[in-house]
Amino acid sequence: KQEVTQIPAALSVPEGENLVLNCSFTDSAIYNLQWFRQDPGKGLTSLLLIQSSQREQTSGRLNASLDKSSGRSTLYIAASQPGDSATYLCAVTQLNYGGATNKLIFGTGTLLAVQP
Amino acid sequence: DADVTQTPRNRITKTGKRIMLECSQTKGHDRMYWYRQDPGLGLRLIYYSFDVKDINKGEISDGYSVSRQAQAKFSLSLESAIPNQTALYFCATSPGTGGWISNQPQHFGDGTRLSIL
Repeated sequence: KQEVTQIPAALSVPEGENLVLNCSFTDSAIYNLQWFRQDPGKGLTSLLLIQSSQREQTSGRLNASLDKSSGRSTLYIAASQPGDSATYLCAVTQLNYGGATNKLIFGTGTLLAVQP
Repeated sequence: DADVTQTPRNRITKTGKRIMLECSQTKGHDRMYWYRQDPGLGLRLIYYSFDVKDINKGEISDGYSVSRQAQAKFSLSLESAIPNQTALYFCATSPGTGGWISNQPQHFGDGTRLSIL
């Protein structure tokens, strides 16, 4: 059974710092991996999607990498800002998981606080 | 207006009551999903629908039922609510691409916070 883990559960950094969030998964048979942002009282916003054949994706100050063979992904945030404070979730689309398709398996998230 | 709208946003009810959570979308997506989020457990898939006539159970469908009334509407029902169904519920949508698996990200509503006493 696929398990997705995010460590640390919470992280606090000063404004301007570059930071890395980690995501690991136990089964490398994934179709893609997505990073989401969740703000309090809000739903999830998709940040980046990396297909299994890709190594990384970039959007603005965000860069996500994928090492499928080792079961790891990282989300790099450059020059962090207080507005980046949120919970960051990673999720994998599993291949042939119980017959389901487009099924996302989520980690429990990292709560990021960027201090002004 | 939000692309994916969930109603109600908050609901408190009693054990044994029947509850319906509604989701509507203006994105024109074929695929819709219901998840629940619990602290320490992340989001888990309850049901998903690839079109009006295609509804499938997810990871934790027991105690829940769904109805896809139209392409834009997907409702989740708790026939007889119990306290361990207290959670944050999310609806999501994604485009259908003709294949089984899509590389299109899912778009989420703002959630319904459900408390069952």
